[in-house]
Amino acid sequence: RKEVEQDPGPFNVPEGATVAFNCTYSNSASQSFFWYRQDCRKEPKLLMSVYSSGNEDGRFTAQLNRASQYISLLIRDSKLSDSATYLCVVTLDSSYKLIFGSGTRLLVRP
Amino acid sequence: DAGVIQSPRHEVTEMGQEVTLRCKLISGHNSLFWYRQTMMRGLELLIYFNNNVPIDDSGMPEDRFSAKMPNASFSTLKIQPSEPRDSAVYFCASSLRSGRRDGYTFGSGTRLTVV
Repeated sequence: RKEVEQDPGPFNVPEGATVAFNCTYSNSASQSFFWYRQDCRKEPKLLMSVYSSGNEDGRFTAQLNRASQYISLLIRDSKLSDSATYLCVVTLDSSYKLIFGSGTRLLVRP
Repeated sequence: DAGVIQSPRHEVTEMGQEVTLRCKLISGHNSLFWYRQTMMRGLELLIYFNNNVPIDDSGMPEDRFSAKMPNASFSTLKIQPSEPRDSAVYFCASSLRSGRRDGYTFGSGTRLTVV
């Protein structure tokens, strides 16, 4: 079983739609959680950290459910520029070794 | 801040040749990570250093791969001899170890093609 699992997509949605991505992780000792965004032929970039209480950054909302070992990302009012691959990332203990999911591809169409 | 700087951006080499990838960390960062990304396997951690010391090299595929961090701001990843299956995008990333919420900053990557 992969340590971090994501639906690869692609998710093809119209502009303005709300879209949600889910991610599960296998190690209950995971300590920190992130969503990264990667554009085609570019490096991954931190989108947002995921806090236990849930957190919001503009149109983006991240949720963490430790009991179910589940992380989500919600994008509201999607824009064409949101088209990218979204990577779910966890770290174990204090080593800061990032473990990446394989990513979910989002395509936002006009 | 110039960010994490990798060179070269692209490398095409023949099978059997030695390849050296370079990475300059962000000033003040003390953790350095080398990742490899392919379509089939996604992003895989190859090795990471903390304060110039290799902490985990379990992801290094085989003895043909070696990584060094000769000083606090610079690292190299060497493949000798290179093989076509080494073709991938190689990213390095750096971070500050302190601060539980810190993510990493990635370099732009080196796209390696071994023919």
